[in-house]
Amino acid sequence: EMQLVESGGGLVQPGGSLRLSCAASGFTFSSYWMHWVRQAPGEGLVWVSRLNGDGSSTNYADSVKGRFTISRDNAKNTLYLQMNSLRAEDTAVYYCAKRADAAGVLDFWGQGTLVTVSS
Amino acid sequence: EIVMTQSPATLSVSPGERATLSCRASQSVRSNLAWYQQKPGQAPTLLIYDASTRATGIPARFSGSGSGTEFTLTISSLQSEDFAVYYCQQCNDWFWTFGQGTKVEIK
Repeated sequence: EMQLVESGGGLVQPGGSLRLSCAASGFTFSSYWMHWVRQAPGEGLVWVSRLNGDGSSTNYADSVKGRFTISRDNAKNTLYLQMNSLRAEDTAVYYCAKRADAAGVLDFWGQGTLVTVSS
Repeated sequence: EIVMTQSPATLSVSPGERATLSCRASQSVRSNLAWYQQKPGQAPTLLIYDASTRATGIPARFSGSGSGTEFTLTISSLQSEDFAVYYCQQCNDWFWTFGQGTKVEIK
């Protein structure tokens, strides 16, 4: 059974840092592009970042570029999102998601982890 | 950035009725369009990709159509478990963007 389990969320002060993790199981993790998508409370979905299977290619939304870093450890089947210089507007549930085989869409999502940036 | 606009924001439908949700792209995304369903407190689930292909395990009452800039998600006969928020998403551009969502509520 496929699983994605996020962790690492919590309350952090503006300007602080947090590292999110996403533990994957039930599929060949290293074969897939992985993504982070966030959702502010009561709001819609916003794509944040993607990383290819071997970790050599990344993309970021402009809103997080230079502050967030996506990475992976294929030996541990884990995806990460290092978030620095956090702002109040980064407050959201962060989902990791797996890209589908056949199309540029996300065919499996974790349950998300809440990040709250507040003083 | 390709802006995705969904309408209506809220759709009130009785169980058993048909629901038609719209999604418009600010520029052509060809058929690179997906639909997701999100229930309260849950992660999104993929319903439709390539504008009209149902994802694995998705019931036939869900159908997608359109190409270019205009897309439609149709739920032919609403079941109780279908009341949720629906998002469209384009993957034609490297910067994936979602619509703001349509909430389908019980009338």
